[in-house]
Amino acid sequence: EDQVTQSPEALRLQEGESSSLNCSYTVSGLRGLFWYRQDPGKGPEFLFTLYSAGEEKEKERLKATLTKKESFLHITAPKPEDSATYLCAARRIAGGKLIFGQGTELSVKP
Amino acid sequence: EAQVTQNPRYLITVTGKKLTVTCSQNMNHEYMSWYRQDPGLGLRQIYYSMNVEVTDKGDVPEGYKVSRKEKRNFPLILESPSPNQTSLYFCASGQREVEQFFGPGTRLTVL
Repeated sequence: EDQVTQSPEALRLQEGESSSLNCSYTVSGLRGLFWYRQDPGKGPEFLFTLYSAGEEKEKERLKATLTKKESFLHITAPKPEDSATYLCAARRIAGGKLIFGQGTELSVKP
Repeated sequence: EAQVTQNPRYLITVTGKKLTVTCSQNMNHEYMSWYRQDPGLGLRQIYYSMNVEVTDKGDVPEGYKVSRKEKRNFPLILESPSPNQTSLYFCASGQREVEQFFGPGTRLTVL
């Protein structure tokens, strides 16, 4: 069964304390791995798409990487405004279903 | 401004009363989809559409219908809502099967 698992469920960091969020996936024939940010009461905001193992993408303090079994979202020197829930999702080659993980709730304290 | 709009934003209804949640995008995207978000279950895909007149089931399509007669609109129809459809609903659109833009959400309560 296709599955996407994120860890940890919650992460508390001090401002400037770098860390990584993990997304493990078991999806046969990965078509794409996606990262989103979601603020409370709002729709998810698209961050990155990764298509093949070894691919990396960056945006400001965020960097996403992909292996054959996992994806990581690295946050460098986070700021309080980076506090949000980060969602990972995977899409199979066969069919357009998108499977989301449960998310990691990130809190960055000043 | 590029955006996905949903209406209504909040809705309280009763079991069995047919309702439609509208979704519209102004970016000429071919791909659109619907999700529901529930505590502990996360985001789950209901239906998606690759283009006009092309729709397919996601993971939780039971109790829902969709139509895609125009590129910009993708309404979600609940023919006979039940309490287990109480949820937060999101519409999304994008190019090449990438959900690039999500709407603001519709919070539905079925009594």
